[in-house]
Amino acid sequence: AQKITQTQPGMFVQEKEAVTLDCTYDTSDPSYGLFWYKQPSSGEMIFLIYQGSYDQQNATEGRYSLNFQKARKSANLVISASQLGDSAMYFCAMREDTGGFKTIFGAGTRLFVKA
Amino acid sequence: ETGVTQTPRHLVMGMTNKKSLKCEQHLGHNAMYWYKQSAKKPLELMFVYNFKEQTENNSVPSRFSPECPNSSHLFLHLHTLQPEDSALYLCASSQDLAGGPRQETQYFGPGTRLLVL
Repeated sequence: AQKITQTQPGMFVQEKEAVTLDCTYDTSDPSYGLFWYKQPSSGEMIFLIYQGSYDQQNATEGRYSLNFQKARKSANLVISASQLGDSAMYFCAMREDTGGFKTIFGAGTRLFVKA
Repeated sequence: ETGVTQTPRHLVMGMTNKKSLKCEQHLGHNAMYWYKQSAKKPLELMFVYNFKEQTENNSVPSRFSPECPNSSHLFLHLHTLQPEDSALYLCASSQDLAGGPRQETQYFGPGTRLLVL
């Protein structure tokens, strides 16, 4: 079974609008961390935001926020006020406390920001 | 120089060549990783080192040989590769492997695009 599922292969958003990228995960470990990364065409994976399973509040980093719904096992990334430079691949990832030394990545969502 | 650097950025090699990829991190981290990213496939973890000791070998073929001389440097030695090994190879580092998921936030280098002919 897939541990990390990103159901949107591609998304379009108008510049200056908000967009939500979906991520669902599967784990039985009560302690885990969730990450979002951005990968522009240059190839580098850029860390955006982190959410711990015990964190009481949703994580926010500038224009990025994570809509964490623990019971539904979802960790959607919300990008507010989209910019042209936000066009990239976005990966959701999870690290379980008991999963060895592996961070598991989803298949990614390609975001296109339209002018 | 800051962050995680990788050299070379692009590499073309024949199947009989021997080459090495280099990764260096300037973040004071203790864990380093090699990943392979092929087209239309999820990121694949290859190797993990923590305090210079290999802690994970994710069933990687022996034609890939990692080396970690210290916590700041990581190499991937390549020999007799196959065309299907063509991919983007990403290096990453994290603070360590014992502090829980937050401590394992990984910071990536720009990658080496490898083409095997």
